[in-house]
Amino acid sequence: DTAVSQTPKYLVTQMGNDKSIKCEQNLGHDTMYWYKQDSKKFLKIMFSYNNKELIINETVPNRFSPKSPDKAHLNLHINSLELGDSAVYFCASSQDILGGTYEQYFGPGTRLTVT
Amino acid sequence: SQELEQSPQSLIVQEGKNLTINCTSSKTLYGLYWYKQKYGEGLIFLMMLQKGGEEKSHEKITAKLDEKKQQSSLHITASQPSHAGIYLCGADGVGNFNKFYFGSGTKLNVKP
Repeated sequence: DTAVSQTPKYLVTQMGNDKSIKCEQNLGHDTMYWYKQDSKKFLKIMFSYNNKELIINETVPNRFSPKSPDKAHLNLHINSLELGDSAVYFCASSQDILGGTYEQYFGPGTRLTVT
Repeated sequence: SQELEQSPQSLIVQEGKNLTINCTSSKTLYGLYWYKQKYGEGLIFLMMLQKGGEEKSHEKITAKLDEKKQQSSLHITASQPSHAGIYLCGADGVGNFNKFYFGSGTKLNVKP
């Protein structure tokens, strides 16, 4: 019973293609996130959704578009892929606790390679 | 914006040795998290610290948040090859609990 799952785990594609990464959580959490981990292992938040609504939208190219069909899913669609998009993308979820802190549960990551 | 600095960036130790990883914040921490990432795997949650001076242990790993809540240390006692991986600290964004910040990570290798 995987808490946060991502598909695919590996994705190799050519420049200019459009691809999607899917994320699902079965924890009943309210908030989901997408992170990008670069080659230096630094993780940067890209988007955050709370109950299907976009909460955080960091400075990322418009080619990246998150889609949340329901609060258990947050998919990441990338148009016109570029070499610099190669990275590991992590999905995460957390329980939204107003005024409190929380822990995030991460998916296994999707390693995207753009050639 | 919140910034988290980790040190050292990488660490190689002999099996059985103790080691410490530090995470320093530019602002007061309201929730500090330690994660471990094994190569090719997702992040594994280790511990969460909230109160100044708080200390938590899990097996041979101990994490502490200082009294001023701006620095956390992760200490591993008698390291083993299974401890190898990347350790990340993370923190809640001050004033915006939906934003989460990560440190740059510390890569640990343990030589048998």
